[in-house]
Amino acid sequence: GNSVTQMEGPVTLSEEAFLTINCTYTATGYPSLFWYVQYPGEGLQLLLKATKADDKGSNKGFEATYRKETTSFHLEKGSVQVSDSAVYFCALSDKGYSTLTFGKGTMLLVSP
Amino acid sequence: DVKVTQSSRYLVKRTGEKVFLECVQDMDHENMFWYRQDPGLGLRLIYFSYDVKMKEKGDIPEGYSVSREKKERFSLILESASTNQTSMYLCASSSWGGFGLQRSYNSPLHFGNGTRLTVT
Repeated sequence: GNSVTQMEGPVTLSEEAFLTINCTYTATGYPSLFWYVQYPGEGLQLLLKATKADDKGSNKGFEATYRKETTSFHLEKGSVQVSDSAVYFCALSDKGYSTLTFGKGTMLLVSP
Repeated sequence: DVKVTQSSRYLVKRTGEKVFLECVQDMDHENMFWYRQDPGLGLRLIYFSYDVKMKEKGDIPEGYSVSREKKERFSLILESASTNQTSMYLCASSSWGGFGLQRSYNSPLHFGNGTRLTVT
């Protein structure tokens, strides 16, 4: 079956530090990959996505590249802000009739 | 903007009660989902629906049922609440991402803000 593994948190950084949150996946087909973000007290919202190998998704300074050879979709940001503090979820969707499979989430805490 | 509204932000119920969690979306989405979110376990799919009166079991349907009588509304029902159902419940909706046999869930999920249910 499909699965998503992401690094455990919390990840604690100072403002303007470089961020990497690792995500690897297992899927039977050729999935689409997503990063969702959950700010405190809110539901999840889509941050970025990539639908095929070597695609790069980007949004709000965050980037992730779909690496089929390493089955990875690591999230990166060059300079984090306090407002980026949230829980980040990696997810995949197989083509067809499957639903999203989520990782367990990684909490990011950014201090001034 | 798509809006997914969950009727309650916080609920406290007693063991054995029948509990209804309501979710409404305003974008005419075909697909609707109920997840529960627990620390260390992430999001787990309870039930989903891709059409009115249609429902499919997710990964953890035991102890839950759902109702989708209208396209915009998807209700989660706890027939007899138990303490292990204390959790954050998230509703989501999406539209079809493709056509015909290539239909997929590639279109993004739009989530409500969640209902934190405590069963005592």
